[in-house]
Amino acid sequence: QQPVQSPQAVILREGEDAVINCSSSKALYSVHWYRQKHGEAPVFLMILLKGGEQKGHDKISASFNEKKQQSSLYLTASQLSYSGTYFCGTGSTNDYKLSFGAGTTVTVRA
Amino acid sequence: DAGVIQSPRHEVTEMGQEVTLRCKPISGHDYLFWYRQTMMRGLELLIYFNNNVPIDDSGMPEDRFSAKMPNASFSTLKIQPSEPRDSAVYFCASSLWDAREPQHFGDGTRLSIL
Repeated sequence: QQPVQSPQAVILREGEDAVINCSSSKALYSVHWYRQKHGEAPVFLMILLKGGEQKGHDKISASFNEKKQQSSLYLTASQLSYSGTYFCGTGSTNDYKLSFGAGTTVTVRA
Repeated sequence: DAGVIQSPRHEVTEMGQEVTLRCKPISGHDYLFWYRQTMMRGLELLIYFNNNVPIDDSGMPEDRFSAKMPNASFSTLKIQPSEPRDSAVYFCASSLWDAREPQHFGDGTRLSIL
């Protein structure tokens, strides 16, 4: 089942912060975050695993609430390059395939 | 390092024709995934392979779709016969060892069926 992302879209000015949320109705083992710019492929940002392990870029932060099956991605001091569509992909305990959310479109303006 | 390579980048063909999309995963990656992306349905997993073996094809929409991975460095996704509703961007992705590792996406094939 597809995870639910919120908000659908957000507009920021450079330097502002934003939070993108991802929630699932299934027990989760992993949450992946990707960013996709228009006409390009999704690019890996972060993986959060059950138990607290994280893998990803130093400038990106995220959290994973295992009890609530929720994850949040934090965009801090946003830059123009942060613009794009952010997708969360969730993996359940029993298999490794990911279900992706509908995406959150982030627009950062000067 | 070379990333995931997909070909062709764009394909325009007429309804009823056979379409073959190709993917070369990153060397050493054990998992290969085929996705379809549309505005209406978002990013959908079609099928994935582990060590060249199909593990889950439950996302393949119809029998018109088939995928193979004859060796560790090559996979194909075929649509026969193609229909206009198959128009989408098809992505191939690969990952190391297991899906707790990042998935690396190719640039995609933009498919238009007229």
